Amino acid sequence: SQQGEEDPQALSIQEGENATMNCSYKTSINNLQWYRQNSGRGLVHLILIRSNEREKHSGRLRVTLDTSKKSSSLLITASRAADTASYFCAVDGSNYKLTFGKGTLLTVNP
Amino acid sequence: NAGVTQTPKFQVLKTGQSMTLQCAQDMNHEYMSWYRQDPGMGLRLIHYSVGAGITDQGEVPNGYNVSRSTTEDFPLRLLSAAPSQTSVYFCASSYSQGTYMGALFRGYTFGSGTRLTVV
Repeated sequence: SQQGEEDPQALSIQEGENATMNCSYKTSINNLQWYRQNSGRGLVHLILIRSNEREKHSGRLRVTLDTSKKSSSLLITASRAADTASYFCAVDGSNYKLTFGKGTLLTVNP
Repeated sequence: NAGVTQTPKFQVLKTGQSMTLQCAQDMNHEYMSWYRQDPGMGLRLIHYSVGAGITDQGEVPNGYNVSRSTTEDFPLRLLSAAPSQTSVYFCASSYSQGTYMGALFRGYTFGSGTRLTVV
């Protein structure tokens, strides 16, 4: 069964607004990763947060991790139309398996 | 660097036919894996390998075989294609956990995918 579960399944916002996506998982992890997938393309790694970290930033991305609640969030600030894509969280456990959620479809309207 | 290269990009098979999806990486990554992506299902792990000569099953291994004779290549074989195997297949690679713990880890690198239709 899939580890990560993203919420919401779909999100539509206006350009310039912030977008927040959440991910919940079930077991212990080494790290949690976020990926972006543009329509019909492969996945691109965005950011990784280790199990002993609580927050991480990369450009307009901010990721938080709460291991006590087994949850993570991805915040995209000042969104752009080019941010329109599907976003996936992926859980890297202790058994070399990277397991993905079903994704959040983000639409940023110009 | 080419990264992760998947071939072919598109393929149509008849039920019962066999084929091999190719995956090659030039980053000297120990870890390689295959996923399938179906609408509404996200990505599901088929098989993975932590190094040459070592493979293991993922979440949905039935109907697929893999082998890892070199660090660079990780082919996925469909022995007898079925319509349920219609999907988009992605190959990914990374450093093993033992390598990246003390190094700058950049996540997994994905290929551009193979869109397979079984009729």
